[in-house]
Amino acid sequence: DAKTTQPTSMDCAEGRAANLPCNHSTISGNEYVYWYRQIHSQGPQYIIHGLKNNETNEMASLIITEDRKSSTLILPHATLRDTAVYYCIVRAYSNSGYALNFGKGTSLLVTP
Amino acid sequence: NAGVTQTPKFRILKIGQSMTLQCTQDMNHNYMYWYRQDPGMGLKLIYYSVGAGITDKGEVPNGYNVSRSTTEDFPLRLELAAPSQTSVYFCASSFSGTSTDTQYFGPGTRLTVL
Repeated sequence: DAKTTQPTSMDCAEGRAANLPCNHSTISGNEYVYWYRQIHSQGPQYIIHGLKNNETNEMASLIITEDRKSSTLILPHATLRDTAVYYCIVRAYSNSGYALNFGKGTSLLVTP
Repeated sequence: NAGVTQTPKFRILKIGQSMTLQCTQDMNHNYMYWYRQDPGMGLKLIYYSVGAGITDKGEVPNGYNVSRSTTEDFPLRLELAAPSQTSVYFCASSFSGTSTDTQYFGPGTRLTVL
């Protein structure tokens, strides 16, 4: 089971890009990197996922290094509503199928 | 399309009481999951189901039971509530359960056992 390492907390000014790093040095070749976020007291929300190539959607961009040992989630223009806990998850097969394995995540605070 | 709905939103139980947390999804998803989240921690998988009539244990199943009689519903039963079960409970669903399959979460049930 590939583990991830994320900073405990980060700050970002409103309107600036938020870059959230994640290390997953033991990731296997067919394991996807997923990002979810959890706004206070709400259920986790899917953001983006990728395997090797960089990905972009309406919410964020995901940059995965060539060796796949780390990735960065980019919120291009952070708003106050982006304040949340962000979880980087390596989707690995286990006894529970492909259930998500949430760590503690990074608490992102967007300030005015 | 309501997605994943959970009831109740909040509940306080006394030690030894029982209750059922309800979860319903209207996306015709095959897979459903129950997670719990303790304060300051990530989510841990309690039980999951790959389809009606099929359930399996996750990481922390002790003290809980589940059933899946329909595609839409996946109730979680607590038989003898204990303070250690004080947590926020999230239900989720997904279509196929594969490595590229997105899980959609409900709003959660906040349970306190006193």
